[in-house]
Amino acid sequence: NAGVTQTPKFRVLKTGQSMTLLCAQDMNHEYMYWYRQDPGMGLRLIHYSVGEGTTAKGEVPDGYNVSRLKKQNFLLGLESAAPSQTSVYFCASSYLGQGDSEAFFGQGTRLTVV
Amino acid sequence: AQSVTQLDSHVSVSEGTPVLLRCNYSSSYSPSLFWYVQHPNKGLQLLLKYTSAATLVKGINGFEAEFKKSETSFHLTKPSAHMSDAAEYFCVYSGGYQKVTFGTGTKLQVIP
Repeated sequence: NAGVTQTPKFRVLKTGQSMTLLCAQDMNHEYMYWYRQDPGMGLRLIHYSVGEGTTAKGEVPDGYNVSRLKKQNFLLGLESAAPSQTSVYFCASSYLGQGDSEAFFGQGTRLTVV
Repeated sequence: AQSVTQLDSHVSVSEGTPVLLRCNYSSSYSPSLFWYVQHPNKGLQLLLKYTSAATLVKGINGFEAEFKKSETSFHLTKPSAHMSDAAEYFCVYSGGYQKVTFGTGTKLQVIP
């Protein structure tokens, strides 16, 4: 069982470059999320989706965009990377909404913006 | 406003001794509460979940947590620490639809 798979696992970007992080889940979950994890701050929600074709802003959406064209995939885009976006990014999915059911997490993408 | 506070950023215990990781919440609602564990370079994994069915919740790997409304606490415990328990633990509060707050995490060190 693959669960939630994130690609890539590591990336170094220069300031101003763009990139897309891919999240894929094979559990047929409706809900998908993107978080960032910074030291001493726990996880903060960037964007989420409650189903194919839907997206919504989370707690820290600025500088990021997302798309959910297929139910199993949730893409996170950085159009013009900034050093403040250096972080570990986690994708998660769940059967019901956050707080109602277990969230399954990917292994994370460590992004460094120089 | 809802919030969750993990009272210790680091906890160190000897192998075979009890583990206590503390979590307090503040809310005017009846919350759902979770504990997740994150091993190094891994994603988060659910340990246990409280949703008002029972105040003492048993999770995986011998962990349990007790919901105490009077103390607004949801502390995580384990009778005997194992080396494999060394990880970071997150208390998570849910106060409604898509209203989830992660605590700042507690790193557990287990000394042989």
